[in-house]
Amino acid sequence: DTAVSQTPKYLVTQMGNDKSIKCEQNLGHDTMYWYKQDSKKFLKIMFSYNNKELIINETVPNRFSPKSPDKAHLNLHINSLELGDSAVYFCASSETGAGGYTFGSGTRLTVV
Amino acid sequence: EDKVVQSPLSLVVHEGDTVTLNCSYEVTNFRSLLWYKQEKKAPTFLFMLTSSGIEKKSGRLSSILDKKELFSILNITATQTGDSAVYLCAATTDSWGKFQFGAGTQVVVTP
Repeated sequence: DTAVSQTPKYLVTQMGNDKSIKCEQNLGHDTMYWYKQDSKKFLKIMFSYNNKELIINETVPNRFSPKSPDKAHLNLHINSLELGDSAVYFCASSETGAGGYTFGSGTRLTVV
Repeated sequence: EDKVVQSPLSLVVHEGDTVTLNCSYEVTNFRSLLWYKQEKKAPTFLFMLTSSGIEKKSGRLSSILDKKELFSILNITATQTGDSAVYLCAATTDSWGKFQFGAGTQVVVTP
C-alpha cells in the first residue's frame, strides 16, 4: 500500500511540450507539496496545498501550474518544457503543522 | 533569507566508524528540524526535533537540537554499508509545514 504515489516515475520529453505529473496520497493528510530536486540533490519547495487551497507558491515560472481536485490529489502541469526543467520532482504530504513529510518516490523528468 | 547549511558535503568512512553530521539553520519562525535519509529514491523520515537538548534515538542513529546555537547533529554509530546515503536536514518555518532543506551530506561507508 503506497502512501504517496506519483506517476509517471520517468518522463522523457522534448523541449516545448506540455506534460503532467500526478500525485495521490492515501494517508488522510490535509497538506500536499511539490518539491524539485536538482542535480546537486538540493530539495526546493515549489507549491503547497492545504485542503485544495494553494498556500505556498514559491518563485516558480508560471509555466508550472498545480491543481488539487481534492485533498488526496495534487497534480503538476508544466507547459512549454525547457531543458532547465530536467530534475526529479517529489510530491509529499503531511498533517498541517505536525511536521514529518511522507514523500513519493519521485518523477525523473528529462527534457531533451 | 532562510537558509539551512549542512556539513560536511560528503565523507567516506569504514564500516564500524562513527559519523557526525552537522546542520545549521537561520530561519524565521522556526518550528522544527527534520532529518531524512535519501538513498536512490524518496527521502525517508528519520527524526523530528522541536525541543533543545533532548536526544532522539533510533537504533544506531541519534540526533539532538540546539535552538540557542541554531544547529542540529545526526550521529551514526557502528556504521554499516547500508548507511550509505545522502542525509538531508530541513527546518520548518511556519505552521503550514514549509520546509527549507539543506543541500545534504553524502555518506559513503566502505566495507
